[in-house]
Amino acid sequence: GAGVSQSPSNKVTEKGKDVELRCDPISGHTALYWYRQSLGQGLEFLIYFQGNSAPDKSGLPSDRFSAERTGGSVSTLTIQRTQQEDSAVYLCASSPLRVNTGELFFGEGSRLTVL
Amino acid sequence: GNSVTQMEGPVTLSEEAFLTINCTYTATGYPSLFWYVQYPGEGLQLLLKATKADDKGSNKGFEATYRKETTSFHLEKGSVQVSDSAVYFCALSEVQGAQKLVFGQGTRLTINP
Repeated sequence: GAGVSQSPSNKVTEKGKDVELRCDPISGHTALYWYRQSLGQGLEFLIYFQGNSAPDKSGLPSDRFSAERTGGSVSTLTIQRTQQEDSAVYLCASSPLRVNTGELFFGEGSRLTVL
Repeated sequence: GNSVTQMEGPVTLSEEAFLTINCTYTATGYPSLFWYVQYPGEGLQLLLKATKADDKGSNKGFEATYRKETTSFHLEKGSVQVSDSAVYFCALSEVQGAQKLVFGQGTRLTINP
């Protein structure tokens, strides 16, 4: 499809397990973002990739969180040793290079539940 | 740091009522301001934006005016419909760097027929 694709749409895991969430951005979009949406909270910025530049990791809440973007396209967000407070919807968004419209194109999210 | 504060929800209105969702911001410089909407079962999508003071963004009958003097960007619609039921997010773009957005906590709107 033409939009941002995320998988899995739902993930239930046990505390202490590792999880990987995948994002496939819109073709041609070089900027990619991960946000987290917790119940009753706004969208919390996690990490940002722009082309070949070093990613902005300033929003990652702990060293259990990491993300990579291979070949400037698909991104994977990894959460190690999951905790119950990691339960949230993880949203991926992409945008075109050098178009400062501020418009981000979001996927439908991956809902993570840590038991 | 930059932040966005939205009117707390949930908000419930009857069809054809007037809607206001308040949004104020704190930022260095002059950010661009946005309203995003999340309909049930869908991803967030841009509703409207304004890039400088006194600009008015509008779309689908919604409007918001960038007020620098009150650091506000309130969302309004004169006559809401059931199909407007969604979660609305106010956001600003950071002035430095590329298009990182800072979001408010969201306001859930329900319109009853």
